[in-house]
Amino acid sequence: AQKITQTQPGMFVQEKEAVTLDCTYDTSDPSYGLFWYKQPSSGEMIFLIYQGSYDQQNATEGRYSLNFQKARKSANLVISASQLGDSAMYFCAMRSLGGGADGLTFGKGTHLIIQP
Amino acid sequence: NAGVTQTPKFQVLKTGQSMTLQCAQDMNHEYMSWYRQDPGMGLRLIHYSVGAGITDQGEVPNGYNVSRSTTEDFPLRLLSAAPSQTSVYFCASSTRQGAYEQYFGPGTRLTVT
Repeated sequence: AQKITQTQPGMFVQEKEAVTLDCTYDTSDPSYGLFWYKQPSSGEMIFLIYQGSYDQQNATEGRYSLNFQKARKSANLVISASQLGDSAMYFCAMRSLGGGADGLTFGKGTHLIIQP
Repeated sequence: NAGVTQTPKFQVLKTGQSMTLQCAQDMNHEYMSWYRQDPGMGLRLIHYSVGAGITDQGEVPNGYNVSRSTTEDFPLRLLSAAPSQTSVYFCASSTRQGAYEQYFGPGTRLTVT
């Protein structure tokens, strides 16, 4: 079974500061993908970034980067130069890539609030 | 492309009533799935399908039925609604190759009284 743990229920950050959202995972699958999603107050799920378990480099997408430490089973999301529009719930998720196609396993999320 | 669409956006049911939540995608994705999101929780997988005619259970399948007669549509049926099924329901689709990124619909907010 897969498990995602997000230990920060809520975070307050000053605008323009960098933010690190923590995510640890547990799986016995040798091949898996790690995802981060943003859910603003409007409710939609917005895909941010993906990291494959065999990717050699950490993934980056604009202001988002994923700090992947495989040995520690962590996949932290880093948001550089935070903006007021970054205020939202953030979910870490994982999926087996071994052909089981059993969907995403989500953490409980971190509520990020950016303060001016 | 419309992406993933869900209807209705909001629904109120009485205990014991049945209904179908609709989900459709126009991206020719093989994989489709249903999740529910309860307050303070992440999304949990209800059922999924890897192609037309093939469905399987996720983490929380009890009380829900699904079928997949076409690639585009993946309806979720509540046969006898219970207050415990009050939740926000998301449908998602993806290819089965590459990053397996899942594209989510806008969600259906269901209240069972």
